[in-house]
Amino acid sequence: NAGVTQTPKFRILKIGQSMTLQCAQDMNHNYMYWYRQDPGMGLKLIYYSVGAGITDKGEVPNGYNVSRSTTEDFPLRLELAAPSQTSVYFCASAPLGYGQFFGPGTRLTVL
Amino acid sequence: KNEVEQSPQNLTAQEGEFITINCSYSVGISALHWLQQHPGGGIVSLFMLSSGKKKHGRLIATINIQEKHSSLHITASHPRDSAVYICAVPAGGGADGLTFGKGTHLIIQP
Repeated sequence: NAGVTQTPKFRILKIGQSMTLQCAQDMNHNYMYWYRQDPGMGLKLIYYSVGAGITDKGEVPNGYNVSRSTTEDFPLRLELAAPSQTSVYFCASAPLGYGQFFGPGTRLTVL
Repeated sequence: KNEVEQSPQNLTAQEGEFITINCSYSVGISALHWLQQHPGGGIVSLFMLSSGKKKHGRLIATINIQEKHSSLHITASHPRDSAVYICAVPAGGGADGLTFGKGTHLIIQP
């Protein structure tokens, strides 16, 4: 199993550009999450999904959108990139009642 | 919203020392998570526990639900244990993600 995969690993965006961060898991987990990690701060939940077709906002959803058309994939969309979205983004998945499995992260810089 | 506090923020110790990292939270929970973030950035789940104690190798996690407090212990610490250790609790109920502490940056010197 590949576990949780994320692409790209690194990306530099200009202000106002858009992009999609890809996340996929091959463990058949229903629950998937997007977090961001800023220097010196704890990870913060952006969006989560409890199954295909179901998504909900976390603590810091502004400026982001998600979709969950399949169990495996949970992409995160940035529509109009802003410098405040410079961060490391982690995708995670979980089976019910167990700890979360994290992807390797995407380091995004918005200039 | 659950608030998570970890202490210490930074800890430097010598190889072989017994390490303790503390975590407290503000709202009652069903389970608490301990995570490890390596210098390269990857995050690994170490423990999920709802009561008592769990042990995995040289790592021991304990939780006191009544006092809303958990500790992570490392016995016979080794330089490869150097990492950031993060405590996390459910953000609300069910499967709606985690609320994280800011982490404890641990350095074990040879």
